[in-house]
Amino acid sequence: DIQMTQSPSSLSASVGDRVTITCRASQSISSYLNWYQQKPGKAPKVLIYAASSLQSGVPSRFSGSGSGTDFTLTISSLQPEDFATYYCQQSYSTPRTFGQGTRLEIK
Amino acid sequence: EVQLVESGGGLVQPGGSLRLSCAASGFSFSTHTMNWVRQAPGKGLEWVSYISSSSSTIYYADSVKGRFTISRDNAKNSLYLQMNSLRAEDTAVYYCATEGLGYSGLSFDYWGQGTLVTVSS
Repeated sequence: DIQMTQSPSSLSASVGDRVTITCRASQSISSYLNWYQQKPGKAPKVLIYAASSLQSGVPSRFSGSGSGTDFTLTISSLQPEDFATYYCQQSYSTPRTFGQGTRLEIK
Repeated sequence: EVQLVESGGGLVQPGGSLRLSCAASGFSFSTHTMNWVRQAPGKGLEWVSYISSSSSTIYYADSVKGRFTISRDNAKNSLYLQMNSLRAEDTAVYYCATEGLGYSGLSFDYWGQGTLVTVSS
């Protein structure tokens, strides 16, 4: 199975900050990497698919990059509604696996 | 509008069984793959099972293999998860999710609201 490791596990930031979350795969997954945002009590929502493609309706302050084993999710200017937990997930092979999550909190 | 509505969760004793359902609408259910993903309280996301559009290909996470069975009824636009020999560690919110339904690669692009399964005596 492909292991996905996110860092950091938690992050405190302020509105307007630029934030980067990283995700590393235990083997190459090409660009088969997706990012999700989850708010308490809600289902996850896809933000970025195929490493760098912005899901329809997602604000352009979200961006993704990387290929192979190393990926990043960047939020260019944090907004109040962005405080949530973020997960990466590989869709290269089955079983699909998720990172452990990054909790983004208000500083 | 794509809608996925899970049902069937509840409290069950260890060793017991439960059948989850996911009613789909707003898209051509019979032509798309479906998945179950779960989330234990306060924990991260765990993929559970996958079923192809025709049910010809099925996968399970090792943690549920031999105990859970995924199925679908395309005539009823419904997805199911039969859960047997339940354990405390199966306690979670269970989501059904599409994969790659829209222009979103192979991501889980639509999710239901989830149904809570609690395994406890």
